[in-house]
Amino acid sequence: DAGVTQSPTHLIKTRGQQVTLRCSPKSGHDTVSWYQQALGQGPQFIFQYYEEEERQRGNFPDRFSGHQFPNYSSELNVNALLLGDSALYLCASSLRDRNQPQHFGDGTRLSIL
Amino acid sequence: GENVGLHLPTLSVQEGDNSIINCAYSNSASDYFIWYKQESGKGPQFIIDIRSNMDKRQGQRVTVLLNKTVKHLSLQIAATQPGDSAVYFCAETRLSGYSTLTFGKGTMLLVSP
Repeated sequence: DAGVTQSPTHLIKTRGQQVTLRCSPKSGHDTVSWYQQALGQGPQFIFQYYEEEERQRGNFPDRFSGHQFPNYSSELNVNALLLGDSALYLCASSLRDRNQPQHFGDGTRLSIL
Repeated sequence: GENVGLHLPTLSVQEGDNSIINCAYSNSASDYFIWYKQESGKGPQFIIDIRSNMDKRQGQRVTVLLNKTVKHLSLQIAATQPGDSAVYFCAETRLSGYSTLTFGKGTMLLVSP
């Protein structure tokens, strides 16, 4: 039973560029959430997708956008990258109608030069 | 892998000791709490959860205590092992609606053989 998988594992970009990160949820899960984790900090919620729509959004600018596909996989897009966007981006999946914890992937480490 | 523990509170114990990690949560409306373990280069891994209608829950070698009056959680690890060395986060959420996680600051646990 595959868990949450994310790609790529590492990425280096320069300021102003755009990036797309990908996530496949755990088998049987229908909800995907994205988090940003700066070094030495806890994960911060970016947004959550269910039924291909953004359902909740944290305190992140519109440069951060996402998408969920019919197979429940998801993408996180970040435009006009800033140095401060350097972080570990985590994807978590869960099943909407079950009161169970979110399961996390191992993240994508994004470095902005 | 990257060091997720920079600038975090640290608890150092000897192998075989019992460890207690504390967490203060912020939202009195939260009714579901989760402890995650994060090893270097990995995403958060579920350890144990508790709902607000309980004040104690036990798992294998771990116990979570919840004090809603003072909005405090603790994670007790019995007979701590070197493999328990990691950063531990508590997270809070609500079971209703589109649940998103709010993470605490994290504690690094270092276990010496």
